[in-house]
Amino acid sequence: LAKTTQPISMDSYEGQEVNITCSHNNIATNDYITWYQQFPSQGPRFIIQGYKTKVTNEVASLFIPADRKSSTLSLPRVSLSDTAVYYCLVHNQGGKLIFGQGTELSVKP
Amino acid sequence: NAGVTQTPKFQVLKTGQSMTLQCAQDMNHNSMYWYRQDPGMGLRLIYYSASEGTTDKGEVPNGYNVSRLNKREFSLRLESAAPSQTSVYFCASSEGSGFHTPRGNEQFFGPGTRLTVL
Repeated sequence: LAKTTQPISMDSYEGQEVNITCSHNNIATNDYITWYQQFPSQGPRFIIQGYKTKVTNEVASLFIPADRKSSTLSLPRVSLSDTAVYYCLVHNQGGKLIFGQGTELSVKP
Repeated sequence: NAGVTQTPKFQVLKTGQSMTLQCAQDMNHNSMYWYRQDPGMGLRLIYYSASEGTTDKGEVPNGYNVSRLNKREFSLRLESAAPSQTSVYFCASSEGSGFHTPRGNEQFFGPGTRLTVL
């Protein structure tokens, strides 16, 4: 399973766009990129998944360059409730997920 | 539709005691997982069950056993608890591998069990 590297923490203010970049140099052809969000005292929650180019849903956008060695999660106009830990995962369809330490996002008023 | 449920929510054990953590899902998922999360850390996979009747070790299986009782239920047992097993335990489920869409691998997590071993 490919290893991922992402910043340990980030700070932002309400209303700003937040971009969290994840590095995954050893991504394999069959691998997908998935992001999870975890609030304190809760289990992680799926945010978005992609294979290449750009994916957008009601919560976030995911940008994946052509070489797929990195990806960027974009959260538009964050609010205080977006304060959470964000995990980037690279995996195939085999079922096993490896969670790293994640990025602790703190949104301030 | 409750999703993934876990019992108990909290538990305190003494070293050497045994206990079973229960997990059930009502989404007709094929795959189920047990993770542990230590303070300030990401989740680590203990065991998983890709389908009913099968179980496999994850990253940190030592000191644990699992049972996939049926398609809905996946239990985690600590035979002789140790302080190093103090953690928050999460159960998760997914449709499983082999599905046509990558979302088949999306995992749904339960609320967690906070376990303290003294």
